[in-house]
Amino acid sequence: AQSVTQLGSHVSVSEGALVLLRCNYSSSVPPYLFWYVQYPNQGLQLLLKYTTGATLVKGINGFEAEFKKSETSFHLTKPSAHMSDAAEYFCAVSDEGFKTIFGAGTRLFVKA
Amino acid sequence: DTAVSQTPKYLVTQMGNDKSIKCEQNLGHDTMYWYKQDSKKFLKIMFSYNNKELIINETVPNRFSPKSPDKAHLNLHINSLELGDSAVYFCASSQLATSTDTQYFGPGTRLTVL
Repeated sequence: AQSVTQLGSHVSVSEGALVLLRCNYSSSVPPYLFWYVQYPNQGLQLLLKYTTGATLVKGINGFEAEFKKSETSFHLTKPSAHMSDAAEYFCAVSDEGFKTIFGAGTRLFVKA
Repeated sequence: DTAVSQTPKYLVTQMGNDKSIKCEQNLGHDTMYWYKQDSKKFLKIMFSYNNKELIINETVPNRFSPKSPDKAHLNLHINSLELGDSAVYFCASSQLATSTDTQYFGPGTRLTVL
């Protein structure tokens, strides 16, 4: 069965610093992988998505993620954090049927 | 021109009451979902419909009943509300009924049961 583990329920960075949010997955089939972002009091929106092909995926707002099959990882990065990046981030993996499996989320805090 | 909309945004009610949450999408998608997000932000799928047909029905109390009058609408009715039902409920939609497709979420309905 597919699963997602996000390491660290909270991550705090200074404005301008590198953002690194960790995600490891388990899948018995070639996975589709997602990062969604949830700003306060809003619904989730897609940041980026890996399907097949290029393993480095670029998303919105300067975020990118790299699919590493050997490490079963899909970590999210951004070179320079901005205050507006403060939000909850969810990693997700497709299952073999209809369901998308979401991780528990990582809250990103950005300090001025 | 909101893509996925939900009403109401906030819902405060007493234990034992019955309430409904409505969801509409104008994206032309075939598939819609209901998720429950608890206080720890954990997101749990409850139901999914594809072209008005139920395709996901997770282990949810039968007090929860989804209804899809057409493929643009998916409503959630909850009978005999309990304290543990307090959460944020999100509606979402996708073009395809597969887990590989991107989902578009509504703004959420915060339900508080007193």
